[in-house]
Amino acid sequence: AQSVTQLDSQVPVFEEAPVELRCNYSSSVSVYLFWYVQYPNQGLQLLLKYLSGSTLVESINGFEAEFNKSQTSFHLRKPSVHISDTAEYFCAVSFFSSNTGKLIFGQGTTLQVKP
Amino acid sequence: GAGVSQTPSNKVTEKGKYVELRCDPISGHTALYWYRQSLGQGPEFLIYFQGTGAADDSGLPNDRFFAVRPEGSVSTLKIQRTERGDSAVYLCASSLGGGERVTQYFGPGTRLLVL
Repeated sequence: AQSVTQLDSQVPVFEEAPVELRCNYSSSVSVYLFWYVQYPNQGLQLLLKYLSGSTLVESINGFEAEFNKSQTSFHLRKPSVHISDTAEYFCAVSFFSSNTGKLIFGQGTTLQVKP
Repeated sequence: GAGVSQTPSNKVTEKGKYVELRCDPISGHTALYWYRQSLGQGPEFLIYFQGTGAADDSGLPNDRFFAVRPEGSVSTLKIQRTERGDSAVYLCASSLGGGERVTQYFGPGTRLLVL
């Protein structure tokens, strides 16, 4: 079955420290990959995506993610976090084989940035 | 431009009642998705519309759930004989369609509480 695994349910980190949120998926077919962020009591906001081309993708607020096909991973990284980055982060995958574009989500990772 | 909107933002109902949740997608987006997010979980796919037709309803949990999109724009998710287990946030998303237009943009969600 197609699935997405976020290996860490919670990641506490101090402000200005680097962070990596891990995401792995199970599939032998081609995929589109996404990271969404959810602030408390808000909807999902698209953070960044990989559709094709360069395997390293960046967001406007300093996050980046790298698609690694051999390891079926799409880990999210930021070299220096801010208090305002505290939120829930979801990795999502669209499998080509579904033909619908529906997203399969991971369980989410809570990023807690401490002062 | 305007994003995806959902109404109501909150809905409290009693067990056994009927509810309707509305989604207004981004103008020009032909694909529309419904997801359900339970507390502490990632969103789970319910149904996908391409235009007016439900192209994939494999995620609907049972026949109490039904959705329509009669004119290819606004969609309504309908839940009959609500149960306490239906309590969740219902998210709507839209996209331009297939291939690399698969990027989905989410609304703020409707928080449903069944007492």
